[in-house]
Amino acid sequence: QVQLQESGPGLVRPSETLSLYCTVSGDSISSSYWSWIRQPPGKGLEWIGYIYYSGGTNYNPSLKSRVAISLDMSRNQFSLRLNSVTAADTAVYYCASGRGYFDLWGRGTLVSVSS
Amino acid sequence: EIVLTQSPGTLSLSPGERATLSCRASQSVSSSYLAWYQQKPGQAPRLLIHDASSRATGIPDRFSGSGSGTDFTLTISRLEPEDLAVYYCQQYGSSRTFGQGSKVEIK
Repeated sequence: QVQLQESGPGLVRPSETLSLYCTVSGDSISSSYWSWIRQPPGKGLEWIGYIYYSGGTNYNPSLKSRVAISLDMSRNQFSLRLNSVTAADTAVYYCASGRGYFDLWGRGTLVSVSS
Repeated sequence: EIVLTQSPGTLSLSPGERATLSCRASQSVSSSYLAWYQQKPGQAPRLLIHDASSRATGIPDRFSGSGSGTDFTLTISRLEPEDLAVYYCQQYGSSRTFGQGSKVEIK
């Protein structure tokens, strides 16, 4: 049974970099595509980007200048970095499998941007 | 960017009734690359439908999807109390965007 688990700081200061990790269990990250999606409190969903086993990436154009997604094969993890954060980046961040539609999701982790 | 507009915003129905949710795209969604998700309170979204009409693994057959081009529909044939949730459509034909969601309330 494949499971995804997000981890990382729950509070980030404005203008700093948000870093999150997604640990995949029950499958190898070299077998699929892996995505990040976020949801501001009480609002809808926004796709951030995906990475695939070769390391290639595809990002939401609206976030592309601030985002980087990478793989760590040794830890069976993939990660998200979002720089120059503002209060508008406060959201629940989900990791998920898939590049088009997303068939398996982590539980999500709330990241607040505040001084 | 393809904008997805969902209607109605909220639907209130009794158990056993039929729910019909609409998702309209600002331009044609190529190859019917459209998915539907269910998000229950406090939970992550769950994939229900992909490619406009294909049910995801383990999804009951009372959930069905249809449509093409710019107009898509999610139908729940017989509502059950556990179907209380917000439902989102998402297109993946051009980048990826989500609709704003439709809330289903159970009377």
